[in-house]
Amino acid sequence: DQQVKQNSPSLSVQEGRISILNCDYTNSMFDYFLWYKKYPAEGPTFLISISSIKDKNEDGRFTVFLNKSAKHLSLHIVPSQPGDSAVYFCAASLGAGTASKLTFGTGTRLQVTL
Amino acid sequence: DAGVTQSPTHLIKTRGQQVTLRCSPKSGHDTVSWYQQALGQGPQFIFQYYEEEERQRGNFPDRFSGHQFPNYSSELNVNALLLGDSALYLCASSGPWAYGYTFGSGTRLTVV
Repeated sequence: DQQVKQNSPSLSVQEGRISILNCDYTNSMFDYFLWYKKYPAEGPTFLISISSIKDKNEDGRFTVFLNKSAKHLSLHIVPSQPGDSAVYFCAASLGAGTASKLTFGTGTRLQVTL
Repeated sequence: DAGVTQSPTHLIKTRGQQVTLRCSPKSGHDTVSWYQQALGQGPQFIFQYYEEEERQRGNFPDRFSGHQFPNYSSELNVNALLLGDSALYLCASSGPWAYGYTFGSGTRLTVV
């Protein structure tokens, strides 16, 4: 049972444009959501997170939106840069403490073209 | 400041064998979690260690076991290897003062 889903396996965006990566979840108990970026031969790197008490969180070029009623979140990258090309994983957890295990989606491969 | 280090980086084993993977957490981190990432999938939680004890476990068989040492480093052991155990094994550490996991680069295990 895939509790976190990323239905787009890949996305191609031109440099300078907006990249929108989507994620859906089924477990309404999840209350903390994270995005990780992964380059080949490296481990996932934390990008941005959002608590279920918020609907938006921004950090520089990255913004995450949460729609709890739709059980949907999205990551916006503006403007997209070639260095953003990587696999992006959405993850969810019950609580934000260090004991919280992460449930990951299957990832979306973003390619930013020149 | 070294992040999470994992060894070895690559490993090839035969079906039925046993394997041990190692992880040193980021300095200041006391919690270690292990994840399995199969090809084309997202990482899946195996288990988490804190204060040298398994605190949580995911949906993995008993063939998967682990250990945490007093210096917070950890080992993942897999017995009776199956072809389906071929995957990237990621170690993630976290600390007591802030949420967030730091992942290592992983160990690529191939079972033949």
